[in-house]
Amino acid sequence: DQQVKQNSPSLSVQEGRISILNCDYTNSMFDYFLWYKKYPAEGPTFLISISSIKDKNEDGRFTVFLNKSAKHLSLHIVPSQPGDSAVYFCAAYGNNRLAFGKGNQVVVIP
Amino acid sequence: DAGVIQSPRHEVTEMGQEVTLRCKPISGHNSLFWYRQTMMRGLELLIYFNNNVPIDDSGMPEDRFSAKMPNASFSTLKIQPSEPRDSAVYFCASSLVGSGVEQFFGPGTRLTVL
Repeated sequence: DQQVKQNSPSLSVQEGRISILNCDYTNSMFDYFLWYKKYPAEGPTFLISISSIKDKNEDGRFTVFLNKSAKHLSLHIVPSQPGDSAVYFCAAYGNNRLAFGKGNQVVVIP
Repeated sequence: DAGVIQSPRHEVTEMGQEVTLRCKPISGHNSLFWYRQTMMRGLELLIYFNNNVPIDDSGMPEDRFSAKMPNASFSTLKIQPSEPRDSAVYFCASSLVGSGVEQFFGPGTRLTVL
């Protein structure tokens, strides 16, 4: 059973525009939500997180929004840069473990 | 500071052979996680350890898979016998309980079973 779901597996966006990635979860007991970024032949690296008691967290060009009532979060990247081309994983934390979505491939076109 | 170290980076083997994947977590971290990444299922947690003790192995797909953590700086994931459907990228990650929820991932081992 997939507790964390990422639809729209791939996204192409022009450099300078906004990239929006979406994520849905099923378990209301998750404490934190994280986004990881993965380049080919590398392990995922942590990007940004948000506590379940907040609805927004911003770090530079990256902003994560959480809608607990809808069990939905999103990652906004603005402006998008070619170096942002990667696979992005949504993850939810609970009970000392992370549950991951399948990932979204983002391609930023120069 | 070195990150999580995994070896080998690539492994090609024939069906029926034993495969051992190795992981060295970040020094000082007390939780270690083994994941498998496939196109179909994404990143799946196989097993995790706290203070070298296996806490949850419910993600281990079959008895052919086993994992050990003999000390705080080393863990292995063994597949015996291996099958073509085990082909995937296997990641090891570590974290420090109480310091945040972030896990730090190694570069992964790409396993191909022919």
